[in-house]
Amino acid sequence: AQSVTQLDSQVPVFEEAPVELRCNYSSSVSVYLFWYVQYPNQGLQLLLKYLSGSTLVKGINGFEAEFNKSQTSFHLRKPSVHISDTAEYFCAVSARGGSYIPTFGRGTSLIVHP
Amino acid sequence: EAQVTQNPRYLITVTGKKLTVTCSQNMNHEYMSWYRQDPGLGLRQIYYSMNVEVTDKGDVPEGYKVSRKEKRNFPLILESPSPNQTSLYFCASTYSSGANVLTFGAGSRLTVL
Repeated sequence: AQSVTQLDSQVPVFEEAPVELRCNYSSSVSVYLFWYVQYPNQGLQLLLKYLSGSTLVKGINGFEAEFNKSQTSFHLRKPSVHISDTAEYFCAVSARGGSYIPTFGRGTSLIVHP
Repeated sequence: EAQVTQNPRYLITVTGKKLTVTCSQNMNHEYMSWYRQDPGLGLRQIYYSMNVEVTDKGDVPEGYKVSRKEKRNFPLILESPSPNQTSLYFCASTYSSGANVLTFGAGSRLTVL
């Protein structure tokens, strides 16, 4: 079984500042890692994913994440945020092979202030 | 357009009045799932289905039923809703093999009085 911990429930930041949303996971097997974003009053959509290869993954809207196997982390970063980045961000993990059942973290609310 | 469609999007009902939230996908996905989203608790899985006639409980199945008679549809049934089932519900689907991305519906906000 896998588990996901998003270390911050809320992250306030000013516009144009950098931001990092933290995600740690635990699993007894190799995993795939995802970040989803939920804009206000909408469903979740994929921001980026790590499957294999380069540990630095780039996603939509200027976001990127780095997979760190030794620290079992998959932190999300953006060098300069916009007001429109205000949203809920979810980290998720699924096991390689076997049944596909993803596990989600509790989410981090990113609040961008002008 | 590839999508997951949920209905109704908003519903206010009363305790004990049976209701069904429908979910339909047009991508021929094998895997479908229901989640509820509550403040501070994130997304919690209610039920999932790996294929037609194959369903299983998630983390919070109490008070809910599902069925998967057709590949495209996965309705969520609340036989006797209670106020603690007031929540935002999401249906999602994907292919069951490989590292596949979930496609989510727009959500159904349910209030039980």
